Amino acid sequence: GQQVMQIPQYQHVQEGEDFTTYCNSSTTLSNIQWYKQRPGGHPVFLIQLVKSGEVKKQKRLTFQFGEAKKNSSLHITATQTTDVGTYFCAGPNAGGTSYGKLTFGQGTILTVHP
Amino acid sequence: GAGVSQSPRYKVAKRGQDVALRCDPISGHVSLFWYQQALGQGPEFLTYFQNEAQLDKSGLPSDRFFAERPEGSVSTLKIQRTQQEDSAVYLCASSLVPGPYGYTFGSGTRLTVV
Repeated sequence: GQQVMQIPQYQHVQEGEDFTTYCNSSTTLSNIQWYKQRPGGHPVFLIQLVKSGEVKKQKRLTFQFGEAKKNSSLHITATQTTDVGTYFCAGPNAGGTSYGKLTFGQGTILTVHP
Repeated sequence: GAGVSQSPRYKVAKRGQDVALRCDPISGHVSLFWYQQALGQGPEFLTYFQNEAQLDKSGLPSDRFFAERPEGSVSTLKIQRTQQEDSAVYLCASSLVPGPYGYTFGSGTRLTVV
């Protein structure tokens, strides 16, 4: 079945440093979604990328979708303590009856030291 | 409502006990998903409803798990004869229309089986 892998599993940074997490899918994706989960919280939708090579920015966050639509990255510039949490990528299954069913990566846990 | 509401927030069950977890999606949202999230892992798909129709239950771990959404709004996930391996956070998510779009997750129910 479809597999979505994320690296690194953990990332510790000093406040102000940059952070990047990478996501790779075993299959071509129609789109890629990113979610953030704060400690003790639930996943919160951040963004969806659809087009090959697409790049989107949200303030200090930059999201990229690979040309082959099998990989993606999330880059945070100048991290802040509010960025702490687990970042998940998720890809929809191609076809099937669950149009919209997502396969999540295992997440990258980001800690930021002030 | 303004968001996806889940209850109870926490549930402790003795092994062998039956439990029922409730999800109240955003009003008018057609798609409803149940996910299971083990500690330190990404959410894993359990089942999907489009309105009242359960279109995919391929992720349900065993026949002890049962979900329903009889009127196309509130959904209940029932686990019979709970086992320790059922301990996890059960997340409900909804989206306005069927499709590979961003979900809105509820806060989840943390189930602990002792």
